[in-house]
Amino acid sequence: QQPVQSPQAVILREGEDAVINCSSSKALYSVHWYRQKHGEAPVFLMILLKGGEQKGHDKISASFNEKKQQSSLYLTASQLSYSGTYFCGTGGTGNQFYFGTGTSLTVIP
Amino acid sequence: DGGITQSPKYLFRKEGQNVTLSCEQNLNHDAMYWYRQDPGQGLRLIYYSQIVNDFQKGDIAEGYSVSREKKESFPLTVTSAQKNPTAFYLCASSMAGNSYEQYFGPGTRLTVT
Repeated sequence: QQPVQSPQAVILREGEDAVINCSSSKALYSVHWYRQKHGEAPVFLMILLKGGEQKGHDKISASFNEKKQQSSLYLTASQLSYSGTYFCGTGGTGNQFYFGTGTSLTVIP
Repeated sequence: DGGITQSPKYLFRKEGQNVTLSCEQNLNHDAMYWYRQDPGQGLRLIYYSQIVNDFQKGDIAEGYSVSREKKESFPLTVTSAQKNPTAFYLCASSMAGNSYEQYFGPGTRLTVT
């Protein structure tokens, strides 16, 4: 039931773009995206709801394909501060919530 | 300031001892969650609670117990039955349901030897 993320890891140079994918085997009502720095707690980035619009702020945006039960996170013109591990989180119609397998993103100068 | 706190930050225990991790929030959130994270791994749900005096098991509840006697508090007990308890434990809270972001505490790193 844990959503699968791809790629597992990616290394970017500053200014490059990246896409992180999240795929679930269950019908989804919501998709959350979080970023975690090493040794710290995850920090919320955005949430997408079924029937909702593509969300974004600054140079990070996301989409949610309800039929395919997938979401993608788009990072454009990456900055050093974008480094960390990105997790999607998925909720169905019930109350249980699952975090994805994680994608390690490293931005180098 | 509203937030969610966990204590202690680091905890060391001997095998065979039960240990209780604290989680308190003053965000007036109905829902609270406990996750376990192992090195290089994702977050796995241990228990969650959507309302006071009610909680449900997550994927890896065996060897753990919780209580939710107050809205603000959701302590997690790691019992001696948990085979491999050394991990990073994260508590989170949110408004009820999956449509709301989860706010995380700073985590407790538990080491059992």
